[in-house]
Amino acid sequence: GENVEQHPSTLSVQEGDSAVIKCTYSDSASNYFPWYKQELGKGPQLIIDIRSNVGEKKDQRIAVTLNKTAKHFSLHITETQPEDSAVYFCAASTMNRDDKIIFGKGTRLHILP
Amino acid sequence: GAVVSQHPSRVICKSGTSVKIECRSLDFQATTMFWYRQFPKQSLMLMATSNEGSKATYEQGVEKDKFLINHASLTLSTLTVTSAHPEDSSFYICSASIWQGGNTIYFGEGSWLTVV
Repeated sequence: GENVEQHPSTLSVQEGDSAVIKCTYSDSASNYFPWYKQELGKGPQLIIDIRSNVGEKKDQRIAVTLNKTAKHFSLHITETQPEDSAVYFCAASTMNRDDKIIFGKGTRLHILP
Repeated sequence: GAVVSQHPSRVICKSGTSVKIECRSLDFQATTMFWYRQFPKQSLMLMATSNEGSKATYEQGVEKDKFLINHASLTLSTLTVTSAHPEDSSFYICSASIWQGGNTIYFGEGSWLTVV
């Protein structure tokens, strides 16, 4: 089955700097890669996703890149702000109905003042 | 994005009692919903996949008689923790899948269960 590895587990960056979180996956059939942000005591919120037909997607300060050959994808947050502090989860799935989505273990991002 | 609502957000129950958590897709129909459990500072642990009109599929190690899942309609799935024990205290989260040119997963707000 699919296995998703996420690094780093904890990341501290100075406010205004960029943060990068990386994930690898094992199943070449996976073709959908969402990223979720989870704030303390809340459910994960979908912040961006990418499907395998594109290599990069950007939404304001957030971007995701995908390298299908190497089976890795990354989340990039630029101009970080205090409200970016949260736990971020990557995930991988096929786009078939009812298929499970496999999550990474999460990255705790701290934005330092 | 699509909205998934969970209720209650927090619940305290006594050991030995049962407690039900509801998960609703508010603006779409979800043939499939998922239930997760999350321990502090850990990732999401998939408990079961809930399919509308059929029995839930439980992950290995999850007791189906203890965690009863019902998906009676396209917008509602329920998780009932039966004969609750303090070790069942946790954050329970549901998610629902919606077809948007591919499977997209949205999560509920989560439910904190404390068993005393």
